[in-house]
Amino acid sequence: AQSVAQPEDQVNVAEGNPLTVKCTYSVSGNPYLFWYVQYPNRGLQFLLKYITGDNLVKGSYGFEAEFNKSQTSFHLKKPSALVSDSALYFCAVLVGYSSASKIIFGSGTRLSIRP
Amino acid sequence: ETGVTQTPRHLVMGMTNKKSLKCEQHLGHNAMYWYKQSAKKPLELMFVYNFKEQTENNSVPSRFSPECPNSSHLFLHLHTLQPEDSALYLCASSQVPGPNEKLFFGSGTQLSVL
Repeated sequence: AQSVAQPEDQVNVAEGNPLTVKCTYSVSGNPYLFWYVQYPNRGLQFLLKYITGDNLVKGSYGFEAEFNKSQTSFHLKKPSALVSDSALYFCAVLVGYSSASKIIFGSGTRLSIRP
Repeated sequence: ETGVTQTPRHLVMGMTNKKSLKCEQHLGHNAMYWYKQSAKKPLELMFVYNFKEQTENNSVPSRFSPECPNSSHLFLHLHTLQPEDSALYLCASSQVPGPNEKLFFGSGTQLSVL
């Protein structure tokens, strides 16, 4: 089955330190991968996507993600964490084709940045 | 403000009630979606509408009935729900489904079934 997995329910990082939120995927064919963020009492917001090209994708709020085909991973990273980065992060993958395509999400990772 | 508005923000209903969730998007998008968010579970895709036509029903029980009268409005009609249906229901829209699609989400309706 095509899916994404986020192995960590929670990640805790001190402000100013680098952060990584992990994601692995299982899809047939070339993967189209996404990261979304959810702040409290809000819907999800798009952060970045990988379609093709450079393995390092840059997105909103200083986040970036590294696509690794051999490890089937798409980890989210940021060089220096901010307290305001504390939120719930979802990895997602596009499955299907054309008008029948759909985005499926992982279970989410709660990122907590301590001052 | 994402351009996708959901009402109500909170809903408490009994198992015998009938209620509806409403979603409206002001982005000129052609695809609309219902997702269910439960704690520590993957976000579950429920329904997809593309140009008002339903293109996905992800094995959702019939007690959930979607309606898409036009590309800007999406409803989720609820009847005889179960307590396990309590969750955050998120509506989203996109220009069209596909690799370049970017979903825009509403803030959700927090549903509690008693």
